[in-house]
Amino acid sequence: DAKTTQPTSMDCAEGRAANLPCNHSTISGNEYVYWYRQIHSQGPQYIIHGLKNNETNEMASLIITEDRKSSTLILPHATLRDTAVYYCIVRGSGNTPLVFGKGTRLSVIA
Amino acid sequence: DVKVTQSSRYLVKRTGEKVFLECVQDMDHENMFWYRQDPGLGLRLIYFSYDVKMKEKGDIPEGYSVSREKKERFSLILESASTNQTSMYLCASSRGDRDYQPQHFGDGTRLSIL
Repeated sequence: DAKTTQPTSMDCAEGRAANLPCNHSTISGNEYVYWYRQIHSQGPQYIIHGLKNNETNEMASLIITEDRKSSTLILPHATLRDTAVYYCIVRGSGNTPLVFGKGTRLSVIA
Repeated sequence: DVKVTQSSRYLVKRTGEKVFLECVQDMDHENMFWYRQDPGLGLRLIYFSYDVKMKEKGDIPEGYSVSREKKERFSLILESASTNQTSMYLCASSRGDRDYQPQHFGDGTRLSIL
């Protein structure tokens, strides 16, 4: 599975959009991009995933560049409860286990 | 919504004890996973299972075993607990009928070995 690079930490003002970048320049054609987050003392929470088209659900939007070498997770109106570590993961087929990196620590500030 | 339930949020055991961590999912998922999470090391895969009575070693299986007698339940066993197994243990499950299905996690068991 391809490796990902994320900033160590980011701040976002409450009510503003949080844009979390992820680089995955070695991604291959059949690998999906997944986003999870982990709030302190809880298990990771699945947010969204995609292959090449942009995706949106009730939690967030995922924007994948045309060359698929990077992506951005967008939380449209961040709240204090969105403060968490966000993980970008690239994974191939076959239901292989996830490999979590260090992620981005997002702090939403009032 | 997917529900993955781990039997205990906090557990304290003694060195040498046999420890059982239980995980149950209610979505008829084929795949189940056990991870441990330690500061600075992230999540590491211990064991996983693609079907009842099947198991595969992950990255760090030493000192652990697993049991999957029923589809909904996946147990992690510490045969003889040691202090270096003090950690947060996370269980996850996912559908197995299609590729690319996301994994869903429980809230974890924080295990302390004294």
